[in-house]
Amino acid sequence: QKEVEQNSGPLSVPEGAIASLNCTYSDRVSQSFFWYRQYSGKSPELIMSIYSNGDKEDGRFTAQLNKASQYVSLLIRDSQPSDSATYLCAVRNNFNKFYFGSGTKLNVKP
Amino acid sequence: KAGVTQTPRYLIKTRGQQVTLSCSPISGHRSVSWYQQTPGQGLQFLFEYFSETQRNKGNFPGRFSGRQFSNSRSEMNVSTLELGDSALYLCASSRTGTSGGAVSSTDTQYFGPGTRLTVL
Repeated sequence: QKEVEQNSGPLSVPEGAIASLNCTYSDRVSQSFFWYRQYSGKSPELIMSIYSNGDKEDGRFTAQLNKASQYVSLLIRDSQPSDSATYLCAVRNNFNKFYFGSGTKLNVKP
Repeated sequence: KAGVTQTPRYLIKTRGQQVTLSCSPISGHRSVSWYQQTPGQGLQFLFEYFSETQRNKGNFPGRFSGRQFSNSRSEMNVSTLELGDSALYLCASSRTGTSGGAVSSTDTQYFGPGTRLTVL
């Protein structure tokens, strides 16, 4: 079992819609969770971090964490073509080791 | 504040050669992690250095090695290059909490632009 699982996609949504990206993790004691966005040929860029159960909002992005279900999600409201990228879910253990999912490719169609 | 920098950005080598990649973390960050990213395997963790010591290690052969200097800059070396080593090599830095090295739960990792290595 992989430490972090994501659906590889592609996930296609029309411009202006809500994109929902999901991630599950296996280490129950994980405390820190991150979403990175990676454009083709570029390095990952941090867009959200979340540490407590519940929702965390930043602009058009909302991260949701449910530790009991070992589930993290990212919602992108009012999706734009510029949001088209691969989104990586990352989980960090208490020894600063990061585990990354394989990424979900998002396509936002104009 | 300047971000993570990596040099060189692109590199072409032939099988059997060795290569050294360099990473300078964000000022004040003491932890540097290295990753290999390929289309087939995704982002794979190589190792992490903190205070000049390797703190975490991934599942890569001994041909992959690294080190960290007192100014937190890090280098990664790959010896006896193979075709399968062609990849984007990314380094990431994080502050990592107290002087004792304890990991802060809110610490965040930031990536450099990467070095694209092609092995012919």
